[in-house]
Amino acid sequence: DADVTQTPRNRITKTGKRIMLECSQTKGHDRMYWYRQDPGLGLRLIYYSFDVKDINKGEISDGYSVSRQAQAKFSLSLESAIPNQTALYFCATSDQKSGDGNQPQHFGDGTRLSIL
Amino acid sequence: GQNIDQPTEMTATEGAIVQINCTYQTSGFNGLFWYQQHAGEAPTFLSYNVLDGLEEKGRFSSFLSRSKGYSYLLLKELQMKDSASYLCAVMDSNYQLIWGAGTKLIIKP
Repeated sequence: DADVTQTPRNRITKTGKRIMLECSQTKGHDRMYWYRQDPGLGLRLIYYSFDVKDINKGEISDGYSVSRQAQAKFSLSLESAIPNQTALYFCATSDQKSGDGNQPQHFGDGTRLSIL
Repeated sequence: GQNIDQPTEMTATEGAIVQINCTYQTSGFNGLFWYQQHAGEAPTFLSYNVLDGLEEKGRFSSFLSRSKGYSYLLLKELQMKDSASYLCAVMDSNYQLIWGAGTKLIIKP
């Protein structure tokens, strides 16, 4: 089983619809992140969370919201989807509890989202 | 602004050596990461440098010069499975990762 699981893996929807992407992890990591990836661009951070109910905006948070009700789960919502939110979305986790340097982020398999 | 630069695409031959460069300008520095990403898949962690010098891990090595804002990833004994994109990312003063757009590496037989 994957340590970081994203659902759904693929989604096609229409402009104006509300969409939720789910991420769950079994790694016991405290930090979780949502990114989007577009062709020719680097990964861009949407939101991140250092602990349950801790929410921080990333570089491109407009049009998105998140929820972290449990340590293992971090969901991303698009309240009213628009075509330029078509992208590949990744959830990632990292473990900073140990305080042992800066730990790498571990990624889920991604959700390919298309907004028509 | 913050910026990570790496070549868009490189081509190399199976069995050879290739060096992928990354230059960065960020607000602060708390380490540099290299990731590998096969097409349509998740990025996977390769290496981490926070001090100047070379870190070796099997066929892959990563070098950092903080004074020059420069890193490279060296891949030896290239295999066809090494065909992928290689992402450079710098952790800034806020402990956020700033990502380059990635270098697509094409391996030819």
